[in-house]
Amino acid sequence: NAGVTQTPKFRVLKTGQSMTLLCAQDMNHEYMYWYRQDPGMGLRLIHYSVGEGTTAKGEVPDGYNVSRLKKQNFLLGLESAAPSQTSVYFCASSPSGDSYNEQFFGPGTRLTVL
Amino acid sequence: GQNIDQPTEMTATEGAIVQINCTYQTSGFNGLFWYQQHAGEAPTFLSYNVLDGLEEKGRFSSFLSRSKGYSYLLLKELQMKDSASYLCAVTDSNYQLIWGAGTKLIIKP
Repeated sequence: NAGVTQTPKFRVLKTGQSMTLLCAQDMNHEYMYWYRQDPGMGLRLIHYSVGEGTTAKGEVPDGYNVSRLKKQNFLLGLESAAPSQTSVYFCASSPSGDSYNEQFFGPGTRLTVL
Repeated sequence: GQNIDQPTEMTATEGAIVQINCTYQTSGFNGLFWYQQHAGEAPTFLSYNVLDGLEEKGRFSSFLSRSKGYSYLLLKELQMKDSASYLCAVTDSNYQLIWGAGTKLIIKP
């Protein structure tokens, strides 16, 4: 099992460009999440999904869109990148929303917006 | 607002014991997690506490006091590979995970 994978691992964008980050999991998990991690701050939830075809906003959703067309995939889109979106992006998944379920993280995507 | 506090950085010696504290103020409580994150890598699960008391798992133990809004992670027999950031996270009343900024642990020989 690969677990949670993310592509790409690194990306540099210019302000105003768009891109899509892909997350895939092979554990048949229902829940999937997108976080960003910035120095000195905790992980912040951007969007999440409780199942195929569903999405919901997290703490910092502005400037991002997501889609979950297939259960195993969760895509994060940046429509018009801004320097404030320079960050490390982590995707995670969990079997369900039960409070005891740990989240399994992908390796991260390091995004720089110039 | 919701808040989780952890020390920013701690230093300890190989072979010693270190305790990393976490205090939280959240809207509701449905459990507390500790994750380990090596530099440049993804967080990985260490422990989960929902009831008061100590949970032991090998060299790592985690303690919770719900009445005090307090938890700690205890690492024994420290090894160089334990150098990492340790993240505290609380599940609130909406079953959302609220994350602390993490404690960077530096192990010296």
